[in-house]
Amino acid sequence: DIQMTQSPSSLSASVGDRVTITCRASQSISTYLHWYQQKPGKAPKLLIYAASSLQSGVPSRFSGRGSGTDFTLTISSLQPEDFATYYCQQSYSSSCTFGQGTKVEIK
Amino acid sequence: QVQLQESGPGLVKPSQTLSLTCSVSGDSISSGSDYWSWIRQPAGKGLEWIGRAHPSGSANYNPSLKSRVTISVDSSKNQFSLNLRSVTAADTAVYYCARVKFLTVAGGYGMDVWGQGTTVTVSS
Repeated sequence: DIQMTQSPSSLSASVGDRVTITCRASQSISTYLHWYQQKPGKAPKLLIYAASSLQSGVPSRFSGRGSGTDFTLTISSLQPEDFATYYCQQSYSSSCTFGQGTKVEIK
Repeated sequence: QVQLQESGPGLVKPSQTLSLTCSVSGDSISSGSDYWSWIRQPAGKGLEWIGRAHPSGSANYNPSLKSRVTISVDSSKNQFSLNLRSVTAADTAVYYCARVKFLTVAGGYGMDVWGQGTTVTVSS
């Protein structure tokens, strides 16, 4: 199995802050990496696919970078609706895996 | 637009089989190269991928669940299903179904449409 490790597990930030979440794969996965946002009681929503491509309808303040084993999700200016849990997921292997999640909370 | 809706019992007894169905609307389940997947989330915990199936009959499963799981696609009903055998309390979770779409050559497959989720409790 390819293990995905996110850091931090949680963070506190204020509206307007720049926030960066890191995801590391246990082996190289090229750019087969996607990011999801999940709000309480809701299904996850695809934000970024192929490491850096913005899903249709997702605000441009979200961006993704990386390839190989190290990836980042950045929110350039945190908005009230961005407080949620974020997950990375690899699709390099036919058995996909998620990171453990990063909860973004209001400071 | 494509919508997915999970259905099935909310309570399953230990050692029995958990069976869920995901109904797809707004698209043909057998069109294109899409896979169809199940994911679960225990209360307060992260997402766990269960597996995926293609209308052709091919399927991939989480190695930790492989011995107990079957995912199948019924193109005639435009739905797919999950069977999880010999359940225990550890299988209590919210279960989501999702479409797994080929997004780009650079990124492969991602889960772009999700159902709202259904809570399954394993208890006697």
